[in-house]
Amino acid sequence: SQQGEEDPQALSIQEGENATMNCSYKTSINNLQWYRQNSGRGLVHLILIRSNEREKHSGRLRVTLDTSKKSSSLLITASRAADTASYFCATVPGANSKLTFGKGITLSVRP
Amino acid sequence: DAGVTQSPTHLIKTRGQQVTLRCSPKSGHDTVSWYQQALGQGPQFIFQYYEEEERQRGNFPDRFSGHQFPNYSSELNVNALLLGDSALYLCASSSPDRNTEAFFGQGTRLTVV
Repeated sequence: SQQGEEDPQALSIQEGENATMNCSYKTSINNLQWYRQNSGRGLVHLILIRSNEREKHSGRLRVTLDTSKKSSSLLITASRAADTASYFCATVPGANSKLTFGKGITLSVRP
Repeated sequence: DAGVTQSPTHLIKTRGQQVTLRCSPKSGHDTVSWYQQALGQGPQFIFQYYEEEERQRGNFPDRFSGHQFPNYSSELNVNALLLGDSALYLCASSSPDRNTEAFFGQGTRLTVV
């Protein structure tokens, strides 16, 4: 079963614009992670935010976490064509490192 | 550091056959997890191995089994293949500090015909 639900399912933007993707989840978590997947191959870890953190930055990425609303958002600023990919949020419960993924968001960045 | 490596990259099998997929974790990682990703879906957790034991298991039938070797590499075996087993199989390794990022291999694309 999938814990995370990403929103929107698909997003198309112009290069240089910002992309915002949202993730909601159902049960308590230890941390939440965002991954990128290009062309149905392996997943690349983007950023991890722990349950006691509210915001985290990494380069052009900004992630927020609201545990009271059980939601997270991923912001990619100044998007590039190379950001075109599928993005997944994954939650990790307290005691182990099993990842539970959502269905993903398809981001298309037009040159 | 080669990262997580999986073999083979592609595989075609006939319904009813058995298949073995292989994974070598990133150097320094002792935990290996396997995921199944159907087309258009997110990865689904199959099981996780640590210290050569299956530590956690997802909602997959007993046809799916695995093994971890003393060097931390791992195998995923699927018996009596069904058409529905066609998917991308991903291996992920993680470090002894469990609640950190997972590193994924490029996956094995299994097609059952």
